[in-house]
Amino acid sequence: QSVLTQPPSVSGAPGQRVTISCTGSSSNIGAGYDVHWYQQLPGTAPKLLIYGNSNRPSGVPDRFSGSKSGTSASLAITGLQAEDEADYYCQSYDSSLSGRVFGTGTKVTVL
Amino acid sequence: QVQLVESGGGLVKPGGSLRLSCAASGFTFSDYYMSWIRQAPGKGLEWVSYISSSGSTIYYADSVKGRFTISRDNAKNSLYLQMNSLRAEDTAVYYCARDVGYGDPWGQGTLVTVSS
Repeated sequence: QSVLTQPPSVSGAPGQRVTISCTGSSSNIGAGYDVHWYQQLPGTAPKLLIYGNSNRPSGVPDRFSGSKSGTSASLAITGLQAEDEADYYCQSYDSSLSGRVFGTGTKVTVL
Repeated sequence: QVQLVESGGGLVKPGGSLRLSCAASGFTFSDYYMSWIRQAPGKGLEWVSYISSSGSTIYYADSVKGRFTISRDNAKNSLYLQMNSLRAEDTAVYYCARDVGYGDPWGQGTLVTVSS
């Protein structure tokens, strides 16, 4: 069961900016736990995209950015490209479950 | 470079058992927590289990508690997941991941299918 809620899908034209929300609660994001984001291209394993709310691993384009406020976090993709079409998941820690939890996932479609 | 390779997946009948393995290379395995994460066909991600570097701290999702056992062999740079009393809802691709509070990197995954 996912305790972090994401929109099922978002879409945008090439070059546009899209954002994906990740809504949690006082036992996870709101408790101060970091939020991380993964990108899963079709047929492949997830890959770390953002860690520690807003940090990009080496090799991740600066078109991807993350932020966190209160009980929510967001992933923004600017200058949307066809290769960004993928599923995106947020992840944090939940103190009531004493474990790591994922968001419900968001499919990004490039129109 | 850091590499994780899972193996051991396959078709098993409900109530059966399977043992997954994850071979790690390119980093000091014994320094890191390790995790198993699964993804049912067409569904989202579920964090199944993690184990600390020494093996002294272990977490299981409620959905697998009492049926799955995570373990590691630091001398062999290997992570394991013993899965017993398998159910149809355990059907998924199982990924191992190096765990630093988040998964990075992930292996390519191994498919477990529970069906009669």
